[in-house]
Amino acid sequence: DAMVIQNPRYQVTQFGKPVTLSCSQTLNHNVMYWYQQKSSQAPKLLFHYYDKDFNNEADTPDNFQSRRPNTSFCFLDIRSPGLGDAAMYLCATSSGPSLKPQHFGDGTRLSIL
Amino acid sequence: TQLLEQSPQFLSIQEGENLTVYCNSSSVFSSLQWYRQEPGEGPVLLVTVVTGGEVKKLKRLTFQFGDARKDSSLHITAAQPGDTGLYLCAGESGSNYQLIWGAGTKLIIKP
Repeated sequence: DAMVIQNPRYQVTQFGKPVTLSCSQTLNHNVMYWYQQKSSQAPKLLFHYYDKDFNNEADTPDNFQSRRPNTSFCFLDIRSPGLGDAAMYLCATSSGPSLKPQHFGDGTRLSIL
Repeated sequence: TQLLEQSPQFLSIQEGENLTVYCNSSSVFSSLQWYRQEPGEGPVLLVTVVTGGEVKKLKRLTFQFGDARKDSSLHITAAQPGDTGLYLCAGESGSNYQLIWGAGTKLIIKP
């Protein structure tokens, strides 16, 4: 089945130690999103790509970076994680704007020691 | 700034009861999506409503989009423990790629 896969499902890192989360999709969707979600709250959009066109949300900290080397893969890099960055990170894809649903992976739960 | 407010934030009821959750805004949306998220998983789309006054049914779930396309409701009939989860509404406005998300309603159905 076509899907969105996130690895790892659980990631533990130390305060200040860089970490990379990955997302792959077999849906061939041209839009990919990274969200941060804390404790039963709404997903907060960090950035999205339309193909290789990168769009950063205004309030996304500089500590968060992203790469999309090809259609199928997208990475979230957190350069110096702080305790406040502990959250679920969700990757989603969409085939475009306007009435297109977002397809989510199961997320990576990030813990900071 | 467009906002979507969901109510209640938390609801715990017995199996077999009916319930309604709400998603309200002062802004108009071109469409509104409802997602359900189970613990440890990503949100999964339930339905998209597009037309003002539209009603869609998904088994025991009934979704309605307000006439003015500013609000929506989700009604569950005879709730079951499998309905437990976080229900999120998300609105689309304009032709960009982003959704405006509500904070969700955490629903627990007790056997």
